[in-house]
Amino acid sequence: DAGVIQSPRHEVTEMGQEVTLRCKPISGHNSLFWYRQTMMRGLELLIYFNNNVPIDDSGMPEDRFSAKMPNASFSTLKIQPSEPRDSAVYFCASSFQREQFFGPGTRLTVL
Amino acid sequence: GEDVEQSLFLSVREGDSSVINCTYTDSSSTYLYWYKQEPGAGLQLLTYIFSNMDMKQDQRLTVLLNKKDKHLSLRIADTQTGDSAIYFCAEIPGSGNTGKLIFGQGTTLQVKP
Repeated sequence: DAGVIQSPRHEVTEMGQEVTLRCKPISGHNSLFWYRQTMMRGLELLIYFNNNVPIDDSGMPEDRFSAKMPNASFSTLKIQPSEPRDSAVYFCASSFQREQFFGPGTRLTVL
Repeated sequence: GEDVEQSLFLSVREGDSSVINCTYTDSSSTYLYWYKQEPGAGLQLLTYIFSNMDMKQDQRLTVLLNKKDKHLSLRIADTQTGDSAIYFCAEIPGSGNTGKLIFGQGTTLQVKP
């Protein structure tokens, strides 16, 4: 298995632009998680899905952030409009039962 | 509330044992995890322990759980320079049905040759 796949790996954009991060979970996994990692705040859970349904989005910072999971093999995290303080590494993870596996992350820089 | 605490930094010499410690607050936590993050990479699941266990060993890794004190440790035997990374402790609070992990802030392990 290829593991959790994220794209792009790096994204540089200007303030105000829309950013879309993509994730393909491991086949057969029924839960998907989006995290954000910064030096100041560490790892933060933004949202997670179970069987494609959003279960807890309490970590989503504000309305500029949205996430979708249209099917079991694909999820997106969108930031519109982006701001410099959104600069971070965004991780997607998927799990089946008790083991959660992380993707390599997308490093987002908003200028 | 749910909280996981770790010391921020540990430095050891190559060949020594490393012990990374973690405390958590949710006494109903069912599963506790150790992840490793190398520079520029995602988090790699190293091992996890169920709360009814006291110890779990996997090659050079030994996990000890003291449920009474809510203390978890990861021992790395014969530490190598390739073990230099950030190590995260995490718990699934409550019954564990959600799969939602609560992470500590990570311990940076520096291994000196």
